[in-house]
Amino acid sequence: KQEVTQIPAALSVPEGENLVLNCSFTDSAIYNLQWFRQDPGKGLTSLLLIQSSQREQTSGRLNASLDKSSGRSTLYIAASQPGDSATYLCAVRLSTGTASKLTFGTGTRLQVTL
Amino acid sequence: EPEVTQTPSHQVTQMGQEVILRCVPISNHLYFYWYRQILGQKVEFLVSFYNNEISEKSEIFDDQFSVERPDGSNFTLKIRSTKLEDSAMYFCASKGVGAGASNEQFFGPGTRLTVL
Repeated sequence: KQEVTQIPAALSVPEGENLVLNCSFTDSAIYNLQWFRQDPGKGLTSLLLIQSSQREQTSGRLNASLDKSSGRSTLYIAASQPGDSATYLCAVRLSTGTASKLTFGTGTRLQVTL
Repeated sequence: EPEVTQTPSHQVTQMGQEVILRCVPISNHLYFYWYRQILGQKVEFLVSFYNNEISEKSEIFDDQFSVERPDGSNFTLKIRSTKLEDSAMYFCASKGVGAGASNEQFFGPGTRLTVL
């Protein structure tokens, strides 16, 4: 059974710092991995998707990497801003079946302070 | 930009009552999902739906749950007889299919269900 873990559970950084969020998964036979942002009491906003054949994806100040063989992904946020404060979730899709479910991690709650 | 919408945003019900949660997926998407998140816990998969039938379901999705696509735009989750432990945020998601379609699942804003 796929287990997804995120470290740290919570993180507080001053504005402007670069930071790394970690995601690990137990079954390396993934199809893709998706990073989401969740604001308190709100829905999930997709940030980046990495296919299993890719090593990284970039969008603006965000860069996600994937090391499938070691079961790890990282989300790098450059020059953090208070508006980045949210919970960040990673989710893996295990099967190659097109309808396959996502298995979510525990999330990292990020606070960026002024 | 197209988005998944859900109604209502918040539903309060008495234990034992039936509830129907509604979702309008992105218009050209053909894969639909329901997930839930109990307060303070992980987002959990409930069910996926394609071509008018369930593709996959979790052990949470028991006989009390059902899904339906009653017309060309809506996708619903029905809980027949709600329990206290059904209190959670319920998220609908959809995904495209075919050449050029993204593999991303796009999520709605959620419906917060409170069972009293």
